[in-house]
Amino acid sequence: EAGVAQSPRYKIIEKRQSVAFWCNPISGHATLYWYQQILGQGPKLLIQFQNNGVVDDSQLPKDRFSAERLKGVDSTLKIQPAKLEDSAVYLCASSSYSHTGELFFGEGSRLTVL
Amino acid sequence: DAKTTQPNSMESNEEEPVHLPCNHSTISGTDYIHWYRQLPSQGPEYVIHGLTSNVNNRMASLAIAEDRKSSTLILHRATLRDAAVYYCIRIQGAQKLVFGQGTRLTINP
Repeated sequence: EAGVAQSPRYKIIEKRQSVAFWCNPISGHATLYWYQQILGQGPKLLIQFQNNGVVDDSQLPKDRFSAERLKGVDSTLKIQPAKLEDSAVYLCASSSYSHTGELFFGEGSRLTVL
Repeated sequence: DAKTTQPNSMESNEEEPVHLPCNHSTISGTDYIHWYRQLPSQGPEYVIHGLTSNVNNRMASLAIAEDRKSSTLILHRATLRDAAVYYCIRIQGAQKLVFGQGTRLTINP
């Protein structure tokens, strides 16, 4: 079974530029998550989708971050304009909708903002 | 928001058992306890979960206190590959995983 795919693995940009990350979840998984992990901290949930609808985006900085999940499959997370404090690993995860809550994570996209 | 408390770090020796504690004193009756671990430069990986009873799987065992206010992840025989950050997480409905700081486990050869 293929895992969660993310790209790019690494991205370096200057502040005020824009960047986009892509995630393809495990086939058939209805729920998709984007997490931000700053060095030395645990992952922080940015947004959760159920199919193509948003379940929770309470911690998404909506003035600069946006995310979409068209057709309820793959998803894109965009940052525009980027700030220095956005330097982090952006993790995508997916799960089938069940009470067990087991999430499958991708390897992440590491963003460095200079 | 994480509502779980774990030691920042622990150290153990290879081939010895490891007991990783987690405090979740404000847990509600329907919250599950999940454990994930994160190896260097990788995304988190599911380890085990439970509600009230002790649980075993191929990776680990989970011992949940009778009052459910604490739990312990048990690695029966640690290997160097078990060196990781271990996260204890309460699932608060709608599968929302809120990660804390976790416990950094070091395994000595």
